[in-house]
Amino acid sequence: QVQLQESGPGLMKPSETLSLTCTVSGGSIRGYFWNWIRQPPGQGPQWIGYIYFSGSTDYNRTNYNPSLKSRVTISVDMSKNQFSLKVNSVTAADTAVYYCARGDGANGNDSWGQGTLVTVSS
Amino acid sequence: EIVLTQSPGTLSLSPGERASLSCRASQSVVSGYLAWYQQKPGQAPRLLIYGASTRATGIPDRFSGSGSGTDFTLTISTLEPEDFAVYYCHQYDTSPETFGQGTKVEIK
Repeated sequence: QVQLQESGPGLMKPSETLSLTCTVSGGSIRGYFWNWIRQPPGQGPQWIGYIYFSGSTDYNRTNYNPSLKSRVTISVDMSKNQFSLKVNSVTAADTAVYYCARGDGANGNDSWGQGTLVTVSS
Repeated sequence: EIVLTQSPGTLSLSPGERASLSCRASQSVVSGYLAWYQQKPGQAPRLLIYGASTRATGIPDRFSGSGSGTDFTLTISTLEPEDFAVYYCHQYDTSPETFGQGTKVEIK
């Protein structure tokens, strides 16, 4: 059974760049959509974006939420079975629990990390 | 983007009762790519239903999903103590993917 684990800083200052990594164990990165989703305190989840890696070739593509697209980059490190999120110029509005999740096409997001709280404060 | 509106905001029920949760989309979810998740405090969302009506692996059959187009429903036929939680709908048909604001099912 695939397991996902987020890692990254818990506390940041405004204007810094947030970097989070999701380590995937028990399964391959190939052939799935690898999502970043965040949830501000007391609110519903917000989709940030995904990276998709082909099952048979090195083809990959990303898709981002337009509300964040100018500040967000998602990338993959196949050698480490990890994917990462970078968010530039964070503000207090970026304070949230950040989740990584595996998307299985038509079958929804079937596996999630436990989440990591990121707080942006001066 | 597709806005998902969940109702009611809070549902107060007793164990053994039936729960019916609504998720209405601002435009049609054409492919039927609508999922439901359960979230308990301090935990990640857990996939219950995908494709509007298919139960995810290991989900008890007291959970069922229905609907199409713009109106979707999650039904819990007989509430168990462990079912009291927040439930979210999620459309992954049209980018950007969106989530509803949630329905809290609390013990009456």
